[in-house]
Amino acid sequence: QVQLQESGPGLVKSSQTLSLTCTVSGGSISNPDYYWSWVRQHPGKGLEWIGYIYYSGTTYYNPSLKSRVTISVDTSKNQFSLKVSSLTVADTAMYYCARGAFDVGMDVWGQGTTVTASS
Amino acid sequence: QSVLTQPPSAAGTPGQRVTISCSGSGSNIGSNYVSWYQQLPGTAPKLLIYRNYQRPSGVPDRFSGSKSGTSASLAISGLRSEDEADYYCASWDDSLSGFVIFGGGTKLIVL
Repeated sequence: QVQLQESGPGLVKSSQTLSLTCTVSGGSISNPDYYWSWVRQHPGKGLEWIGYIYYSGTTYYNPSLKSRVTISVDTSKNQFSLKVSSLTVADTAMYYCARGAFDVGMDVWGQGTTVTASS
Repeated sequence: QSVLTQPPSAAGTPGQRVTISCSGSGSNIGSNYVSWYQQLPGTAPKLLIYRNYQRPSGVPDRFSGSKSGTSASLAISGLRSEDEADYYCASWDDSLSGFVIFGGGTKLIVL
């Protein structure tokens, strides 16, 4: 059974870069049937898709975040990562990683990690 | 940024049937599949419906999805107290370079 676990700092200063990692266990990140996503949720708000990466390195990003976001994959470690640059307090949110399948959606989610951007 | 429009809230009593709507456009729901997610308080979202009406293994058949044109709906029959949660629709949007779009979410209250 595939499981995802987010890791990274819970507190990041504004203007700095947030770095989060998602470790995949119970399955291979190189499985061509899946892509690997990041989704965030501001306190008390709805879900916001950040982007996803395919094992080959192909990426898709939310147009509203594209200029500040980079998603990468490390197949040797079975991990994928998120970087958000020029952080502001508006980036304070719960960050989830998730596995997706084309035309299906995101079927396995991590438990989420809370990130606070301090001013 | 939500271009998928959901009612902010819905309510029903145990045993009732409730529906949640999701309205989009030709670039998203009109030309792509819709999925639905359930988020119980304090937990990660869970995939509830995919490809408009398909249910993942383990999801009760009380949950059903449908799509017509640029709108989709989630129906929950035989409402139970444990169904009280936030529900989100999602779809791919073909505009720009393509991206995933979520609806704003609907909070379902079981009275």
